[in-house]
Amino acid sequence: KAGVTQTPRYLIKTRGQQVTLSCSPISGHRSVSWYQQTPGQGLQFLFEYFSETQRNKGNFPGRFSGRQFSNSRSEMNVSTLELGDSALYLCASSLAEGGDPYEQYFGPGTRLTVT
Amino acid sequence: QKEVEQNSGPLSVPEGAIASLNCTYSDRGSQSFFWYRQYSGKSPELIMSIYSNGDKEDGRFTAQLNKASQYVSLLIRDSQPSDSATYLCAVTPFSGGYNKLIFGAGTRLAVHP
Repeated sequence: KAGVTQTPRYLIKTRGQQVTLSCSPISGHRSVSWYQQTPGQGLQFLFEYFSETQRNKGNFPGRFSGRQFSNSRSEMNVSTLELGDSALYLCASSLAEGGDPYEQYFGPGTRLTVT
Repeated sequence: QKEVEQNSGPLSVPEGAIASLNCTYSDRGSQSFFWYRQYSGKSPELIMSIYSNGDKEDGRFTAQLNKASQYVSLLIRDSQPSDSATYLCAVTPFSGGYNKLIFGAGTRLAVHP
């Protein structure tokens, strides 16, 4: 079974621009969560989607948003980029129902650099 | 007080020894606990989940949970150089929903031959 995939893997953007990151979960997984990882703050939860609805949200400004499609694929968007948004953005998927619904499996991440 | 605390390390152990990694959490209502391994430049990889007090074993790995003490640990038996990585403890908070993981800062483990 294929793992979580994320595109693009690397991205360089300029302050003020916006960016969209994509995540395809493991087949059959219906929940997608997004995390930001930086050396200073570690891994921080951004938001989680299930059945095209945002169920949980972390403490990030409104510039960070996301959505989920009917096939469980998810995108996250960051508008008006700031230098501090430079980070590794990780997507994780879980079953959400049946089996072990709470185990989250991470994709390889998108490395975003804001200049 | 941080929600999930881990010693940053590095924890250095000789090959073949038992590595013991510890984690404490502040939210007494936390229900789900996970250990992830992250190699440098890679994404976190799930090692173990544990939900009930006691021990859970999977191969060379044993997770231990004590909810009364708000403590979770990971033991790695017969440590190998390939186990050298950062180990992240993650907890789901009571009020945040089961798919919101709060991570510790991670413990760096170095296994030397």
